[in-house]
Amino acid sequence: GESVGLHLPTLSVQEGDNSIINCAYSNSASDYFIWYKQESGKGPQFIIDIRSNMDKRQGQRVTVLLNKTVKHLSLQIAATQPGDSAVYFCAENIEGGKLIFGQGTELSVKP
Amino acid sequence: GAVVSQHPSRVICKSGTSVKIECRSLDFQATTMFWYRQFPKKSLMLMATSNEGSKATYEQGVEKDKFLINHASLTLSTLTVTSAHPEDSSFYICSARDRAAQPQHFGDGTRLSIL
Repeated sequence: GESVGLHLPTLSVQEGDNSIINCAYSNSASDYFIWYKQESGKGPQFIIDIRSNMDKRQGQRVTVLLNKTVKHLSLQIAATQPGDSAVYFCAENIEGGKLIFGQGTELSVKP
Repeated sequence: GAVVSQHPSRVICKSGTSVKIECRSLDFQATTMFWYRQFPKKSLMLMATSNEGSKATYEQGVEKDKFLINHASLTLSTLTVTSAHPEDSSFYICSARDRAAQPQHFGDGTRLSIL
């Protein structure tokens, strides 16, 4: 079946360090991927997206890398700040515009 | 831009009560809205897809008579949990998008607690 998963359920980093959150997907036909950030008690917040015709996309302090060969997605956060502490989900856009979410990685930033 | 408002943010009610949750896109027209359910420390599970003016499409295992969805306009979708029971207690989240292959934007969820 289709699934999107994350390698690390929890990640603890020091403030100022870079963070890397990984995600594996299984549907090779997927052509659009999104990273969301979810803070406690809130809905997911869009961070960055990438289409399958690209292998890298950069935003403000964030970079998403897509490796279609191994069906792997990663989110890099530069100079991680306490405000970055949250659960991060990758999501895979499938037929019908539905999103399949990964299990999530909880990022904890130590001051 | 792309703000989605969900109301109420929290509901506590007795077993057997029906509860309606509203999801509004504030600054764009949402041709499609989605309803998710999320358990503590878990990922989001899609319940149904709602297109304006048509019947919702439910995911396997989701009871359509239990979770009534109405998408009467391009800016409003509602989810009604009918005759709610304690096992329906959860965090319900809606999302909306204006067109295909664009990111879904999420509301801040509704915490439903059935006593």
